[in-house]
Amino acid sequence: DAKTTQPPSMDCAEGRAANLPCNHSTISGNEYVYWYRQIHSQGPQYIIHGLKNNETNEMASLIITEDRKSSTLILPHATLRDTAVYYCIVRAGGAGGTSYGKLTFGQGTILTVHP
Amino acid sequence: EADIYQTPRYLVIGTGKKITLECSQTMGHDKMYWYQQDPGMELHLIHYSYGVNSTEKGDLSSESTVSRIRTEHFPLTLESARPSHTSQYLCASTRRNEKLFFGSGTQLSVL
Repeated sequence: DAKTTQPPSMDCAEGRAANLPCNHSTISGNEYVYWYRQIHSQGPQYIIHGLKNNETNEMASLIITEDRKSSTLILPHATLRDTAVYYCIVRAGGAGGTSYGKLTFGQGTILTVHP
Repeated sequence: EADIYQTPRYLVIGTGKKITLECSQTMGHDKMYWYQQDPGMELHLIHYSYGVNSTEKGDLSSESTVSRIRTEHFPLTLESARPSHTSQYLCASTRRNEKLFFGSGTQLSVL
């Protein structure tokens, strides 16, 4: 699986958009970009994933550059409850294989939302 | 909402005791996982299962063992707990590759 690089920490004002970057310059053609977050002392929560097109759901938007070497997770209106560690993970998608569903979590980005 | 449950939420136990951490899911997922996480550190995969009677060791070596006798149940056992086993243990499940559902975790403290 491709390695990812994220800033260790970021701040955001409540109500503003939070833009969390992730570099994955060694990503290969069949690898997806996944985002999870972990609120203090809880299990990680899936946010969104994508292959090459931009994606949006009720939680966030995912923007993937055309060369797929980087991506940005956007929380459009951050709230205090969005304070968490955000993990960007790159791995092959599809069914089967010995790595099916196994995720490698790095250090992530600590996002702090201020009032 | 994810229907995956871990018990107990917190456990404080003495050295040498045998413990079992419970994990159950009601979503019919065939794939289940155990991760271990120390405070402020990364999650590490210690066990996984792709179905009944299937268990494999993960990327991080662990003295714990697991079993998968029923689809919905994936318990983790430590035969003789030691202080070095103090950590948070997180259980997860999925049917498809894209989305893992995690439990709330068990915070284990071995004195």
